[in-house]
Amino acid sequence: DTAVSQTPKYLVTQMGNDKSIKCEQNLGHDTMYWYKQDSKKFLKIMFSYNNKELIINETVPNRFSPKSPDKAHLNLHINSLELGDSAVYFCASSQAGGIYEQYFGPGTRLTVT
Amino acid sequence: AQSVTQLGSHVSVSEGALVLLRCNYSSSVPPYLFWYVQYPNQGLQLLLKYTTGATLVKGINGFEAEFKKSETSFHLTKPSAHMSDAAEYFCAVRPLGGGYQKVTFGTGTKLQVIP
Repeated sequence: DTAVSQTPKYLVTQMGNDKSIKCEQNLGHDTMYWYKQDSKKFLKIMFSYNNKELIINETVPNRFSPKSPDKAHLNLHINSLELGDSAVYFCASSQAGGIYEQYFGPGTRLTVT
Repeated sequence: AQSVTQLGSHVSVSEGALVLLRCNYSSSVPPYLFWYVQYPNQGLQLLLKYTTGATLVKGINGFEAEFKKSETSFHLTKPSAHMSDAAEYFCAVRPLGGGYQKVTFGTGTKLQVIP
């Protein structure tokens, strides 16, 4: 059973389109995250949710909107995609509190043309 | 704010040689420290972590790291590199304190293992 899963694995789309990435974890964790990894492998936190509530919202354009329908799911919707949004997006989860390890999904490689 | 510096974006070692990946943190109070590994086209997975207690921490796949407060370091080592160790390695820090605290990742070190 996959602990943290993301769909789709690859996403190729044109500028201006709207797309969503879905994430699910079956670990029973309360906290979920979205990270963006750029072409230089730099990993940056975007959002964090704890039990469906937003607790971290880094400096991210408001074209990015996370949604957590329940604590096992955290989706990311992106409006009006731009070339600079091309990256690998990782979902992760952990037990609450942050001192616990984070479990990462396999990533979604987004390419905007 | 907490930060972490990984010295060397690329490290090459011969198979069987010692692996040493460097990580320094900036904080007046020692934070929680983590090392993650990312294999090609995969997500990150935890190698080891330091929270409290013993300063020499053993992780998976023969890796270990030593927390040195005087040097604000948490370097990752493995006595003998294996081809399967080729990956990207990330050091991460999380401040002490209750509640939610953000984990900050370093910029990563790519380990190449030469046969």
